[in-house]
Amino acid sequence: NAGVTQTPKFRILKIGQSMTLQCTQDMNHNYMYWYRQDPGMGLKLIYYSVGAGITDKGEVPNGYNVSRSTTEDFPLRLELAAPSQTSVYFCASSLQGNTEAFFGQGTRLTVV
Amino acid sequence: GQSLEQPSEVTAVEGAIVQINCTYQTSGFYGLSWYQQHDGGAPTFLSYNGLDGLEETGRFSSFLSRSDSYGYLLLQELQMKDSASYFCAVRGVSNSGYALNFGKGTSLLVTP
Repeated sequence: NAGVTQTPKFRILKIGQSMTLQCTQDMNHNYMYWYRQDPGMGLKLIYYSVGAGITDKGEVPNGYNVSRSTTEDFPLRLELAAPSQTSVYFCASSLQGNTEAFFGQGTRLTVV
Repeated sequence: GQSLEQPSEVTAVEGAIVQINCTYQTSGFYGLSWYQQHDGGAPTFLSYNGLDGLEETGRFSSFLSRSDSYGYLLLQELQMKDSASYFCAVRGVSNSGYALNFGKGTSLLVTP
């Protein structure tokens, strides 16, 4: 059982480049989330989804886009990367809105 | 919006008991959760309180008082491996469902 899988694990981007962070889960969970975590800080919610075709903004959505075309996949798109987007990105999923969230191992992104 | 407050750092001795407090403000409340994160790792679920009272899971207990918008995580018989960051997280209703928002975390250092 793979759980939540994120790719890539590490990435260096140049300012202005774009990329997609991949997240997939095999638990048939309805809810999926994207967070960013800066050094020594908490997790800030970027976007979340309550099911295929439905996405909603979190606390820090600017500079990011998401889509949820299937239950399994919830990719996060960075357009025109900026140094302020240097962070560790975590994807998570939960069966329902009030159940345990399972996290992927994170993507460490550096924008230079 | 939502906000969560928890102490930034706590130090305790191996074998002792430590309590990590969390106060929150949210529009629509659907439960308080606790997560543990070791350096460089993914957050993992510890406990959930949907109703007032104490929930016990082994050495860990969590308490919630909805009228006070307050909860705490109690760790007993501390072990060195408990040195980690601990996050409280609140589920609140947003546009499309339940958004899971995290506090900034409490860094727990267990000393011999």
